[in-house]
Amino acid sequence: GAVVSQHPSRVICKSGTSVKIECRSLDFQATTMFWYRQFPKQSLMLMATSNEGSKATYEQGVEKDKFLINHASLTLSTLTVTSAHPEDSSFYICSAREQSISEQFFGPGTRLTVL
Amino acid sequence: GEDVEQSLFLSVREGDSSVINCTYTDSSSTYLYWYKQEPGAGLQLLTYIFSNMDMKQDQRLTVLLNKKDKHLSLRIADTQTGDSAIYFCAESDNYGQNFVFGPGTRLSVLP
Repeated sequence: GAVVSQHPSRVICKSGTSVKIECRSLDFQATTMFWYRQFPKQSLMLMATSNEGSKATYEQGVEKDKFLINHASLTLSTLTVTSAHPEDSSFYICSAREQSISEQFFGPGTRLTVL
Repeated sequence: GEDVEQSLFLSVREGDSSVINCTYTDSSSTYLYWYKQEPGAGLQLLTYIFSNMDMKQDQRLTVLLNKKDKHLSLRIADTQTGDSAIYFCAESDNYGQNFVFGPGTRLSVLP
């Protein structure tokens, strides 16, 4: 199957700093990428959907100024957590989808810890 | 809104079959999925089924869909310790959008 990578896999940062997480589709062109957040022992919550070249669509309750998403190319989307705080500590997972194919391919996730 | 429900825990003995159940509410769901998540890892797609299918089998995995009751199940034959993980049921629309995940079922395989 298709491969989606995320970088970094783990990041620890101080409160108030910004953190950028990259999501790459390695062997296909992802016209749509999704960002999820997973709290411990809970299911995934969709944060936003991004289509290449256009602004991301955020789910209700997700602050777009807090979680900046850029999908500048068909193989790369970035999620920037701005002015991170301890409550932003979570497991962030991206997924990517090729146009006209419904299956989403998930990245391995990034564990963010904000001290 | 759409809702997907699963039991949270399941324990089985090694070598037995595991059956993980899922119910959903959105009758317009087109794709139904089973994902596996091992500790600290992302999601691995195990299998998916179109809503017009009743059953899909892939090696040790059997998916049964009862569209009338909106009930999906995943059967793992000859369960192994490596199958210990959290299994998520999910649904999406025809365009692969509007994914809704269940809470996940934590499968523990006992020796």
